[in-house]
Amino acid sequence: QKEVEQNSGPLSVPEGAIASLNCTYSDRGSQSFFWYRQYSGKSPELIMSIYSNGDKEDGRFTAQLNKASQYVSLLIRDSQPSDSATYLCAVTHNNAGNMLTFGGGTRLMVKP
Amino acid sequence: DVKVTQSSRYLVKRTGEKVFLECVQDMDHENMFWYRQDPGLGLRLIYFSYDVKMKEKGDIPEGYSVSREKKERFSLILESASTNQTSMYLCASEGGQIEGKLFFGSGTQLSVL
Repeated sequence: QKEVEQNSGPLSVPEGAIASLNCTYSDRGSQSFFWYRQYSGKSPELIMSIYSNGDKEDGRFTAQLNKASQYVSLLIRDSQPSDSATYLCAVTHNNAGNMLTFGGGTRLMVKP
Repeated sequence: DVKVTQSSRYLVKRTGEKVFLECVQDMDHENMFWYRQDPGLGLRLIYFSYDVKMKEKGDIPEGYSVSREKKERFSLILESASTNQTSMYLCASEGGQIEGKLFFGSGTQLSVL
């Protein structure tokens, strides 16, 4: 059973702070890693992808991957109330084609 | 922009009814997916298709079937709806340059009474 685990939250941070979202996965064969953002009542949208160990930065977002620890995280710098959403971690596996396995999501609340 | 259209936003059906959920994408994507989303459980893959008339089971295919007669259309069928199939159903397509970038429809909230 391929599993992707996230703390459901809510994670509450003040505006301007760094929000740190974490995700662990069980399958060492996992190849690619993604963060999706889902606003309440809306569909998920891709915000970050990462494929190799280390950090990947895109604007205020940084994805971090540690395959040895089977851990992927998303940092949001200078958090804004508009970042309040559920963040879904997803992984693909090298023996499962393009199948994405999603975690349960972490709800982030950024308070003004 | 890619557009993935699901035929209904809200649907109410009775136990035992046959239910069709339709999904159409306009970007000539090869891969299409059906997920259901339940609180605390995230998105769970029901079926996916990587080509016309091809289908693969996902993690929770029981009670569902799919049809892909044309590249742009992927249908989810509940042969005999049950109350535990009450859920948000999301269709997605994948294609283009970024692997793992799914484009989702707006979802269908299905209630089975």
